[in-house]
Amino acid sequence: TQLLEQSPQFLSIQEGENLTVYCNSSSVFSSLQWYRQEPGEGPVLLVTVVTGGEVKKLKRLTFQFGDARKDSSLHITAAQPGDTGLYLCAMKQGAQKLVFGQGTRLTINP
Amino acid sequence: DAGVIQSPRHEVTEMGQEVTLRCKPISGHNSLFWYRQTMMRGLELLIYFNNNVPIDDSGMPEDRFSAKMPNASFSTLKIQPSEPRDSAVYFCASSPGQYYSPLHFGNGTRLTVT
Repeated sequence: TQLLEQSPQFLSIQEGENLTVYCNSSSVFSSLQWYRQEPGEGPVLLVTVVTGGEVKKLKRLTFQFGDARKDSSLHITAAQPGDTGLYLCAMKQGAQKLVFGQGTRLTINP
Repeated sequence: DAGVIQSPRHEVTEMGQEVTLRCKPISGHNSLFWYRQTMMRGLELLIYFNNNVPIDDSGMPEDRFSAKMPNASFSTLKIQPSEPRDSAVYFCASSPGQYYSPLHFGNGTRLTVT
């Protein structure tokens, strides 16, 4: 059983469309991180959210942390081919251990 | 600034052989993590170190896997003997160790065991 459930697993859309991907858990997060991974590389941090209800923006990416801190979403506006990649959410277990979801594999078609 | 450096990038070996993966963390980072990534299971934490001391190895699949961190600038993950089901991409990551610090990943070692 996955501690973190990400949906959808795969998403393929056209350039210019908007999309939202989700990260859910039955546990309360103390904090949540979103990473993006491109082929042949390791994951790279996009954002850390800490406070319930928090919204953070990174250019065309908007990250939201649920009020109860059990879910998070990533919304991309006007998707571009450069947004293609594997999007991973991760939560802390204890002081240091970081547990990842299975990821959403996003493809943006030109 | 050099990031996390892993070697080799690719390793192809036969079942039964010993495999050693290497990692140099970012200088000044005091936490080091080994992850394994497959399509089926995603990114799984194998073991992590804090100040060169193994803290949690509960993710190490079995006794065939071992990891060491002899000093702050070097770590190894060894598989002996290797099996085809060990085929995966193995990532090393380091972190400054503060609670909200991100992990900085290397580019991984793609291991194929035939």
